[in-house]
Amino acid sequence: AQKITQTQPGMFVQEKEAVTLDCTYDTSDPSYGLFWYKQPSSGEMIFLIYQGSYDQQNATEGRYSLNFQKARKSANLVISASQLGDSAMYFCAMRRYTGGGNKLTFGTGTQLKVEL
Amino acid sequence: SAVISQKPSRDICQRGTSLTIQCQVDSQVTMMFWYRQQPGQSLTLIATANQGSEATYESGFVIDKFPISRPNLTFSTLTVSNMSPEDSSIYLCSVEPGMETQYFGPGTRLLVL
Repeated sequence: AQKITQTQPGMFVQEKEAVTLDCTYDTSDPSYGLFWYKQPSSGEMIFLIYQGSYDQQNATEGRYSLNFQKARKSANLVISASQLGDSAMYFCAMRRYTGGGNKLTFGTGTQLKVEL
Repeated sequence: SAVISQKPSRDICQRGTSLTIQCQVDSQVTMMFWYRQQPGQSLTLIATANQGSEATYESGFVIDKFPISRPNLTFSTLTVSNMSPEDSSIYLCSVEPGMETQYFGPGTRLLVL
């Protein structure tokens, strides 16, 4: 069975600083994908970044980067130059690519608050 | 990317009634997914809806409670039947246009009194 763990229920960061949101996962599948989503108070789920298990380089999308450490089974999200609009709930999720099934398994989320 | 719309965006319903949520995508997709997010919780997959076949339900979810239709490659509906206050949640549909992406609709906020 797959499991995603986000150990930080809440995080604070000052505007313009960088912040790392932790995510560890557990799977026996050799092929999988890791996703990060942002959920503002409006409730929508905004796709941020993706990392495949066979990708050699860490994924980056603008101010978002994923610190992928496969041996440690961690996929931490790094947000650089935080903005007030980054305040939201952040979810890490995993998708398996073997054995059928396309569902995403989500972690419990981290509430990020960006302060002036 | 995919543009996904959901109707209604929110609703307040009486217990014992049913609500049908619509999900429309701007492009053809093979798989559509329905998730539930209970208050303060993470997302849980209800079912996977493929066009032309019955939906596949996850453990703990049954067709009688959450019937799903998938009449074509751009549209799906989820019905929440015989509602109780425990069904108060955000319901989200999602699509997977490629293996490296899964996009979500804006969600339907449901409150059952």
